[in-house]
Formats: sequence, C-alpha cells, structure tokens
Amino acid sequence: EDQVTQSPEALRLQEGESSSLNCSYTVSGLRGLFWYRQDPGKGPEFLFTLYSAGEEKEKERLKATLTKKESFLHITAPKPEDSATYLCAVQAPEYGNKLVFGAGTILRVKS
Amino acid sequence: DARVTQTPRHKVTEMGQEVTMRCQPILGHNTVFWYRQTMMQGLELLAYFRNRAPLDDSGMPKDRFSAEMPDATLATLKIQPSEPRDSAVYFCASGFTPAGNYEQYFGPGTRLTVT
Repeated sequence: EDQVTQSPEALRLQEGESSSLNCSYTVSGLRGLFWYRQDPGKGPEFLFTLYSAGEEKEKERLKATLTKKESFLHITAPKPEDSATYLCAVQAPEYGNKLVFGAGTILRVKS
Repeated sequence: DARVTQTPRHKVTEMGQEVTMRCQPILGHNTVFWYRQTMMQGLELLAYFRNRAPLDDSGMPKDRFSAEMPDATLATLKIQPSEPRDSAVYFCASGFTPAGNYEQYFGPGTRLTVT
C-alpha cells in the first residue's frame, strides 16, 4: 500500500490557468510534509515544509496547504518556468529521519 | 550559497566494473542520504547516516553496494561489481536534524550508465 499518492500524474496548463496538485498520505503521526520541485537533469529543490493541519505556506505563485490526510500545492497564474516535476514527501515516527516520497506530478505550462 | 556537491556528474562503465560516487554535504549538516531515481521506481532511499554513523542501509543490495562516510565532508557510495540494472541517477542529500527538522537538500546527482 502506497503511503504517499500524488495526483494527477501529469498536468498541462495554459499560462495563467491556475490549478492544484494533490498529495494524499496514509501515515499516522505525521511530523512533516515536504514539497520539492525537480527540473529535468537536476536534483529535487526544496520548496516547503508543513507540520500541522491548517498550515499554509507561500512562495511566489505557489501556495501549499495541509489537512489531516492530504496536502495541496496551488499554482496561481502559472508561467512556463513553473514547468517541472513536483514531489511531495512525508516524515513520520515509523520512518526515523527518512522521507517517503510520492511519484510526483509532471507539470507543463504552455505559453 | 551552500549546496550539496556530487562527483562525477556522469559515469558510463561496463558491467562488472567498480563505481564510486562521492558527495560533499552542506557544511554543518549532520545527516546524509543516498537515493536512487529511476523512471519505474521513482526516488528510493538506499542508505543514510547521522553524525557519520550509518543508521539504515536496508534499501541497498548488500552484496554489491556499500556506503561510507570517512569524514564529515565526504560520503561515498560504491558499487562492485556494477550491473546494467544499476543504471539510474544517484542523489545525495543532506540535512540538519535537531528535533523536528527533517528537511533535506539534494545534490545535482550522478547519472550512471552500466553497459
């Protein structure tokens, strides 16, 4: 059973067309939920950490939110440079210091 | 601008050869992680260290993979002998883990091709 599930697998948007990516998790005792951005040929780049339900964080056109079972990454008025794979990961006591990653959502923003 | 560095960035080798990948974590970070990324499996954790001590290497094929931290500024991942199925991108990540902080910062990766 997957502990972290991301949807959709791929998303195509027109420039300026806002949308959301989803990350659902089944771990108990969540200590942190992490969002990363990965560009082709590069390592994942840290974006946000969320620790408790109701928490929100923003960075430029991105806003991450967290509930007890899922997180959303909202992208407002995206630009082509927002095209990347977005990964979420969770940390829970059963994993020690380890992060468990989802498979990612591939985002393409067309101008 | 602190960042994780990895060498080499690309490696092409023949089956059966030894491969060594190196990682320099961010200065001051006390945890180091090795991941493998493939299209089929995504990001898989191979091993990790805290304060240079190996904590978990359950993700590694023990018969051919080994990971070490000879000092706080160097982590190595070795494959001997290499096989075509080892072809992947290998990432090193580091973090600083006082209570409640599990953020990890990734290097650029080593793309390994085993023919």
